[in-house]
Amino acid sequence: DAKTTQPPSMDCAEGRAANLPCNHSTISGNEYVYWYRQIHSQGPQYIIHGLKNNETNEMASLIITEDRKSSTLILPHATLRDTAVYYCIVRVRGSQGNLIFGKGTKLSVKP
Amino acid sequence: GAVVSQHPSRVICKSGTSVKIECRSLDFQATTMFWYRQFPKQSLMLMATSNEGSKATYEQGVEKDKFLINHASLTLSTLTVTSAHPEDSSFYICSARDSGGDEKLFFGSGTQLSVL
Repeated sequence: DAKTTQPPSMDCAEGRAANLPCNHSTISGNEYVYWYRQIHSQGPQYIIHGLKNNETNEMASLIITEDRKSSTLILPHATLRDTAVYYCIVRVRGSQGNLIFGKGTKLSVKP
Repeated sequence: GAVVSQHPSRVICKSGTSVKIECRSLDFQATTMFWYRQFPKQSLMLMATSNEGSKATYEQGVEKDKFLINHASLTLSTLTVTSAHPEDSSFYICSARDSGGDEKLFFGSGTQLSVL
């Protein structure tokens, strides 16, 4: 079973920041937090991952709470093309295994 | 970033025929690839783990004789749906991890299979 909890859906206005929360209260010390997204009828796309420090790349920022029990993915300026299902996944560091997908958050960016 | 190519993107076939789906890692080597299935409005479900040079490992409830997996090289894994039936209609997605890289998994663009 997925070890994360996400809201099923969220709306965001185009051009505004989209903040997607994820709860992972049972996360272990050796587990990373990964974010992927899936645009309709495509394969998942990697966004970002982190262990305990906040991370930023060209796509998004990842804010992880100090106790690591929750995190927030931030899309700073959402566009219509960011409409997708966003998956928050925890995974053991160094794991050779697959990703276990939960139900994710359906983000709808509206004009 | 690393690219995983999946082909075909869409296939329609008659019931009883077999369909082969290819998954290639274009710029990295992948000793392990994963095959997922996704039904409409549902999340991805792992079907099997494909290991280069050895037998695939199937998840519980997935018929190994129906979903044949071959991983003959470090850049290619194939999934063959044998004797397809309408209930096999689904979105099939492969993924791979760069054996020499970090821990990210990269995904193919998926194959929409429709069995008539």
